[in-house]
Amino acid sequence: DAGITQSPRHKVTETGTPVTLRCHQTENHRYMYWYRQDPGHGLRLIHYSYGVKDTDKGEVSDGYSVSRSKTEDFLLTLESATSSQTSVYFCAINPDSNQPQHFGDGTRLSIL
Amino acid sequence: KNQVEQSPQSLIILEGKNCTLQCNYTVSPFSNLRWYKQDTGRGPVSLTIMTFSENTKSNGRYTATLDADTKQSSLHITASQLSDSASYICVVTPGDYKLSFGAGTTVTVRA
Repeated sequence: DAGITQSPRHKVTETGTPVTLRCHQTENHRYMYWYRQDPGHGLRLIHYSYGVKDTDKGEVSDGYSVSRSKTEDFLLTLESATSSQTSVYFCAINPDSNQPQHFGDGTRLSIL
Repeated sequence: KNQVEQSPQSLIILEGKNCTLQCNYTVSPFSNLRWYKQDTGRGPVSLTIMTFSENTKSNGRYTATLDADTKQSSLHITASQLSDSASYICVVTPGDYKLSFGAGTTVTVRA
């Protein structure tokens, strides 16, 4: 498996609280991505990063922010969690945008 | 809007049998098409990747085909095993980070 770790793996929290998910990689890959996966939908891109401090929005970025201060870490923050953000969140990495993405094992987030 | 449609949504097969999954897409421009396998509770893992000029690619018992003219792809699983039980996801890309994911086909293999 590619060296990619997501934490926490499971989290339950309440509406209105801030939540931060972490993605850590040991591959020194340039690109990192955050997706959410919901039943009946394909994976949808939230944000991605193409280098340290270089990030951009994906198709479902509202309500989410990201930060990448080091090559190996990509953080996803829900400033004020809502029930619609209950989902499974996946981080992915690749060395360049044309290579297959390697995925972490996901974070299951429940917002009550 | 670029779309990737997969069928069937789910299927059940007996161990040792073959099955074929379908993927139709409207993504344009097109650079490559990938099939991923996702085990329950795990992230997707790449099985095959095909460019515009390739019409078949194999990975063990998995064979993917691509018809770029009709914008259709299929994934054939030969001599299924219990470990093939998973969700199979078709992914199409115009060549950059903007991947378009299908919703997946859930395959259940029974002994």
